[in-house]
Amino acid sequence: AQTVTQSQPEMSVQEAETVTLSCTYDTSESDYYLFWYKQPPSRQMILVIRQEAYKQQNATENRFSVNFQKAAKSFSLKISDSQLGDAAMYFCAYRSARSGTYKYIFGTGTRLKVLA
Amino acid sequence: DTGVSQDPRHKITKRGQNVTFRCDPISEHNRLYWYRQTLGQGPEFLTYFQNEAQLEKSRLLSDRFSAERPKGSFSTLEIQRTEQGDSAMYLCASSRGDVYNEQFFGPGTRLTVL
Repeated sequence: AQTVTQSQPEMSVQEAETVTLSCTYDTSESDYYLFWYKQPPSRQMILVIRQEAYKQQNATENRFSVNFQKAAKSFSLKISDSQLGDAAMYFCAYRSARSGTYKYIFGTGTRLKVLA
Repeated sequence: DTGVSQDPRHKITKRGQNVTFRCDPISEHNRLYWYRQTLGQGPEFLTYFQNEAQLEKSRLLSDRFSAERPKGSFSTLEIQRTEQGDSAMYLCASSRGDVYNEQFFGPGTRLTVL
């Protein structure tokens, strides 16, 4: 069974600085998708960024980028120029690419605090 | 398109009572998911529907839990004979049937069992 591990329960970053959130996963599959979701205090989760395992190029979305290391099974999220609105819980998620398998497997989350 | 909606947002019930939650997905999404999130944990998968068919159920979904999605539109999640351990946030998500299957989440229903 696949597992997702987020070893940082809480992180803090100064406004305008850069922070990296860690995520590791365990799987025997070669094809899968990885996601970072943000859950603000209002609790509705939104997608931050996704990565296809077959793509070597790291995904980037504006201030958000990932460092995907397939061999190491590592998928970290880098937030540049941190803003107060980035404060939230961040969840790393895995989804198998096998046909008929659509559920996400989430990590336990990292709470990000942004200091003014 | 107003996103995924869930009702009620909060539910307080006494142990042993039955509760039912509703989820309205994004209209063109054919897949619908239920997750449970307890304090300090990430969401855990409960079940998923493709249109009206329930195609996967987690072992977390005991016999006291039942989910339906009549006509492939909204979905309901019922918990019978609630227990204190059922206290959690119940999240609904929906997705299109494309390759990325990005799931859009609702705000959740917070259940407290006294």
